[in-house]
Amino acid sequence: DVKVTQSSRYLVKRTGEKVFLECVQDMDHENMFWYRQDPGLGLRLIYFSYDVKMKEKGDIPEGYSVSREKKERFSLILESASTNQTSMYLCASSLAGLAGGKGIGGTQYFGPGTRLTVL
Amino acid sequence: DAKTTQPPSMDCAEGRAANLPCNHSTISGNEYVYWYRQIHSQGPQYIIHGLKNNETNEMASLIITEDRKSSTLILPHATLRDTAVYYCIVRALFAGGTSYGKLTFGQGTILTVHP
Repeated sequence: DVKVTQSSRYLVKRTGEKVFLECVQDMDHENMFWYRQDPGLGLRLIYFSYDVKMKEKGDIPEGYSVSREKKERFSLILESASTNQTSMYLCASSLAGLAGGKGIGGTQYFGPGTRLTVL
Repeated sequence: DAKTTQPPSMDCAEGRAANLPCNHSTISGNEYVYWYRQIHSQGPQYIIHGLKNNETNEMASLIITEDRKSSTLILPHATLRDTAVYYCIVRALFAGGTSYGKLTFGQGTILTVHP
């Protein structure tokens, strides 16, 4: 059975703190994604990784960084949390696409989400 | 990815079939129809996808019209736990490009299952 897990379901942090969100998948997927979801704005892609140590910026990477040291784990880092980063954060994974792994991949499977509140 | 149109909300009685429509008149030949759902405050859950043939799995059935311009997701025996927002998406699969296959959810259909 497909499994994507995220380290926390709910998280409350203070402005300026460094925040780590962890995502683990057990499907041996090459691709991993971090999205944020806000009311009225839908899903927005923050970062994408198509292989270990490989990453690509998504649509809204500012204020975020990522780390992928192992195939199954993809971390999202908020270097200095701000109130406008209060959101639902969603991790997803999929099989690799074509074009050296950077193309459109297979079905994306999501984790349960982390609802982050920055005070 | 092609744009989709879904009704904003639908109701269904528990135990009855829920039929959720989706229009995707600009779908391209290599684009699949995908359905996800999202229960309040949870991550999106993949339901089913198809290209042109009807598909069925343990969760639902997907009926795609012959011209592929519309589709219907069928939950055969809806339960209260099926209350969620249902998203219809069309996207290519295992294709080239630089979008990395990011998913874009529209507004979806809020399905409410009543006792």
